[in-house]
Amino acid sequence: DIQMTQSPSSLSAAVGDRVTITCRASQSISSYLNWYQQKPGKAPKLLIYAASSLQSGVPSRFSGSGSGTDFTLTISSLQPEDFATYYCQQSYSIPWTFGQGTKVEIK
Amino acid sequence: QLQLQESGPGLVKPSETLSLTCTVSGGAISSSSYYWGWIRQPPGKGLEWIGSIYYSGSTYYNPSLKSRVTISVDTSKNQFSLKLSSVTAADTAVYYCARRGRDGYNWFDPWGQGTLVTVSS
Repeated sequence: DIQMTQSPSSLSAAVGDRVTITCRASQSISSYLNWYQQKPGKAPKLLIYAASSLQSGVPSRFSGSGSGTDFTLTISSLQPEDFATYYCQQSYSIPWTFGQGTKVEIK
Repeated sequence: QLQLQESGPGLVKPSETLSLTCTVSGGAISSSSYYWGWIRQPPGKGLEWIGSIYYSGSTYYNPSLKSRVTISVDTSKNQFSLKLSSVTAADTAVYYCARRGRDGYNWFDPWGQGTLVTVSS
């Protein structure tokens, strides 16, 4: 199985901050990387697919980059509604696997 | 707007079979553009993909669960279902159903609201 490792596991940031979350795959996955946002008690929501494609309806302050083994999710200006846990998911090979999550908290 | 809704027992006894159904509304499960899948999340933990199915009945399972999992589809009811046999406390989780893209990038969107299944006697 491909292991996905996110860093940091949690972070504290203020509204307006630029936030970057990193996801590293245990082997090359090309651009087969998706990002999700999950708020407490809610289902995950797709933000980014294919490493850098913004899902329809997702604010443009979210962006993704990377290929191979190293990927980043960037929130250009953190908004109050962005405080949540973020997960990466590799879709290169079965079993599809997720990172352990990065919790973004209010500073 | 496509919506998915999980249903099934919230409590299952150890060694028994967990059975859940996902009802799809606002779109046809027989769309050629998508697969349909199950993902679970133990309380306070991360996400684990269980398996996926195409409307034709073609399935893909997580090898770690394959011996215990069956996913089926009923296009007449616009539903797909999950059965997980011989459950233990480790199978306690929120179970989500979701649509899976078939464009090669295998993203999940949208998701159902999730249903908590507790394995306990």
